[in-house]
Amino acid sequence: NAGVTQTPKFRVLKTGQSMTLLCAQDMNHEYMYWYRQDPGMGLRLIHYSVGEGTTAKGEVPDGYNVSRLKKQNFLLGLESAAPSQTSVYFCASSYLLSGRNGYTFGSGTRLTVV
Amino acid sequence: AQKVTQAQTEISVVEKEDVTLDCVYETRDTTYYLFWYKQPPSGELVFLIRRNSFDEQNEISGRYSWNFQKSTSSFNFTITASQVVDSAVYFCALSDLKDDGANNLFFGTGTRLTVIP
Repeated sequence: NAGVTQTPKFRVLKTGQSMTLLCAQDMNHEYMYWYRQDPGMGLRLIHYSVGEGTTAKGEVPDGYNVSRLKKQNFLLGLESAAPSQTSVYFCASSYLLSGRNGYTFGSGTRLTVV
Repeated sequence: AQKVTQAQTEISVVEKEDVTLDCVYETRDTTYYLFWYKQPPSGELVFLIRRNSFDEQNEISGRYSWNFQKSTSSFNFTITASQVVDSAVYFCALSDLKDDGANNLFFGTGTRLTVIP
């Protein structure tokens, strides 16, 4: 059971370039989330999805787009990367109601925008 | 709006000492969940505990214990007889129930614990 898998694990982008981060879960979870982690700021919610074909904005959505075409996948896109988007990105998934173990997180993607 | 305060940015203890990590929260929700996560130097987030707002029983798991006090809106985490492997950043988090039913997490800024051998 892989849980939540994020690809890639590391990436360096030039300002203005675009990229897509992929999150895949094999637990049949309804909810999926994208967070970013910055030094001294904890994790902040970017976007989330309550099911296939749905997406919603979180706390810091600007500069990002997401898609949930399949239940098991949640994609995070950066159309025109900016240095302020340098961060560690975490994907998470959960059942409809919070399970005993809360959320399952991926191992993170470290993105640097130069 | 949810708020989680982890006032201790960094803590250093000598191995075998006990250490308590503080977490204070604010919410208007009547039902909510509180979590603790551990982030070791390798970077992944490791779930430690979830507590419901209507269950104020303290919990102990090995060297870990949690003290939930609704009256003071606190959910503190104690490590007894600390070990070097406990060195990590610890995050307290509060559930944030959205109108569409999603139950997101609102994180504190974390406490970096260093256990000195």
